[in-house]
Amino acid sequence: GIQVEQSPPDLILQEGANSTLRCNFSDSVNNLQWFHQNPWGQLINLFYIPSGTKQNGRLSATTVATERYSLLYISSSQTTDSGVYFCAVKPNSGYALNFGKGTSLLVTP
Amino acid sequence: GAVVSQHPSWVICKSGTSVKIECRSLDFQATTMFWYRQFPKQSLMLMATSNEGSKATYEQGVEKDKFLINHASLTLSTLTVTSAHPEDSSFYICSARDGVRHDGYTFGSGTRLTVV
Repeated sequence: GIQVEQSPPDLILQEGANSTLRCNFSDSVNNLQWFHQNPWGQLINLFYIPSGTKQNGRLSATTVATERYSLLYISSSQTTDSGVYFCAVKPNSGYALNFGKGTSLLVTP
Repeated sequence: GAVVSQHPSWVICKSGTSVKIECRSLDFQATTMFWYRQFPKQSLMLMATSNEGSKATYEQGVEKDKFLINHASLTLSTLTVTSAHPEDSSFYICSARDGVRHDGYTFGSGTRLTVV
């Protein structure tokens, strides 16, 4: 099946810093989403971004489908940004989302 | 956006009993829903694909007789953990996609199952 690799696995930032999370995938996809999992386990959909660039406030994402990677940018980080960020993809040949192992982010005051 | 409702949010049950988890699409119809399981500090792993009006498709290594899936309508899928054991304790989460909105997959809020 498709491989989804996220980096870094863990990240500690001071409040106000910027960061870039990366997602590499091993096959062609027609769906890519970035999620933030909060401490209660709920998955918050950040971006549906199979290609191109999108921005939502302090967050933005870019997917280069031809090179099989996506980036999630977090600017001016806040303590509430802490949690686990997942990249999930649906290969062209599949039906369900496949998740990476996530990046665990801790933003300190 | 699309909304998926999942109940209960948490459940504690005794070993040997069965537990049913419901997943509903509130504002769209879902011919296909997906069930995932997440162990602590791990990623989400797809357990099965639930198909309305037909049998579910299970991923390799998932016991279909232990995890019974029923998708009787276009808005409801249920996962029943039968004869639960402590090793079944996990976070279960369902997902569906609104084929009209084209904005990806939406996830329920998850069910934390503890078997004692």
